[in-house]
Amino acid sequence: QVQLHESGPGLVKPSDTLSLTCAVSGYSISSGYYWGWIRQPPGKGLEWIGNVFHSGKTYYNPSLKSRVTISVDTSKNQFSLKLSDVTAADAAVYYCARVDNSGYSDYWGQGILVTVSS
Amino acid sequence: QSVLTQPPSVSGAPGQRVTISCTGSSSNIGAGYGVHWYQQLPGTAPKLLIYVTSSRPSGVPDRFSGSKSGTSASLAISSLQAEDEADYYCQSYDSSLSEWVFGGGTKLTVL
Repeated sequence: QVQLHESGPGLVKPSDTLSLTCAVSGYSISSGYYWGWIRQPPGKGLEWIGNVFHSGKTYYNPSLKSRVTISVDTSKNQFSLKLSDVTAADAAVYYCARVDNSGYSDYWGQGILVTVSS
Repeated sequence: QSVLTQPPSVSGAPGQRVTISCTGSSSNIGAGYGVHWYQQLPGTAPKLLIYVTSSRPSGVPDRFSGSKSGTSASLAISSLQAEDEADYYCQSYDSSLSEWVFGGGTKLTVL
């Protein structure tokens, strides 16, 4: 059974960098698929942040591209998200997910709430 | 303002059939990109319900079905049950924006 689990600080200061990691179990990242991050501000809808292929090739939401870095560590079977210069608008539940080539996410982590506050 | 437009809410009585629309444009649904649907129960992560317009993952009841016509897609839920009460989101790719986009979500209330 494929499982994903997000981890990282739940509180980030404005202008700092948000860093999250997604640990994958039950499936080897090196075997294929894309691996992605999606966020959901409290009470609002879903927003795609970006995807990374096991080779390291990345695809980012153009509106976040200047601040986002997604990387993969196949040796640890995990992938990571870094979002720089955060503001209150970046406060959200962040989900990691396995992404098919057709773009759908078939396995999701439970999500991690990130608050932005000084 | 979402690129994919969904009604904010729909409702139906147990046993009834409801549909949720997802209206896009020629740069996403109308361009032939697949539409995916997710169900999000309160306080939980989204769950894949329909992929590539009309395919169901293993374990999803056949009460859930998807279709597409022109620049719009629809999710139909038949024989409505209390546990179907949730938020539903559509997703597709937009070639003009070069990004995966979600609809704004639809809250389904089972009366």
